[in-house]
Amino acid sequence: DAGVTQSPTHLIKTRGQQVTLRCSPISGHKSVSWYQQVLGQGPQFIFQYYEKEERGRGNFPDRFSARQFPNYSSELNVNALLLGDSALYLCASSLLQNTEAFFGQGTRLTVV
Amino acid sequence: AQKVTQAQTEISVVEKEDVTLDCVYETRDTTYYLFWYKQPPSGELVFLIRRNSFDEQNEISGRYSWNFQKSTSSFNFTITASQVVDSAVYFCALSEAVRGNAGNMLTFGGGTRLMVKP
Repeated sequence: DAGVTQSPTHLIKTRGQQVTLRCSPISGHKSVSWYQQVLGQGPQFIFQYYEKEERGRGNFPDRFSARQFPNYSSELNVNALLLGDSALYLCASSLLQNTEAFFGQGTRLTVV
Repeated sequence: AQKVTQAQTEISVVEKEDVTLDCVYETRDTTYYLFWYKQPPSGELVFLIRRNSFDEQNEISGRYSWNFQKSTSSFNFTITASQVVDSAVYFCALSEAVRGNAGNMLTFGGGTRLMVKP
């Protein structure tokens, strides 16, 4: 079975642009979460979706948004990119409440 | 608010040494879950263990062992007879079982970089 897949793996954007990151969960997993990991720090929670509904939001500005589709895949959108948005964006999926999360390899976003 | 502290930012050991990675957490919830993840240079977080707050039994899995102590709010991770392949960044994480938390909104510590030298 395929693990969590994220696309693209690397991305370079210019300040002010918009970006969309994609995540496909493990088959059968209905919960998807997004995390931002700035170099040298631990991941920070951004969003969680379960059954296509937002169930949690971290302390991130409204420039960050996400959605989950009927097939449980998810997109993370970031508008008006800032240099500080440069980070590894990780997607995780899990089967049930508070079971272990399985992470994808991430999308490394560089904003120049 | 919940918080996870990993005071050791970097540890360097020689192969075959034992090493313990410390994790201290803060939460107001009585039901919560603790996790350890390994992040090799490839970047993917690899799940190692999940523990719920009602299970204080220590666990051993091969060369890995975990010591959960609610009295000190600690969940420490020990690698016995370390190997070069253990070199990675290790993260401790906490998830509170609040209503609506239909997955695992994890709060991570800052991570401990472990370097195992041959």
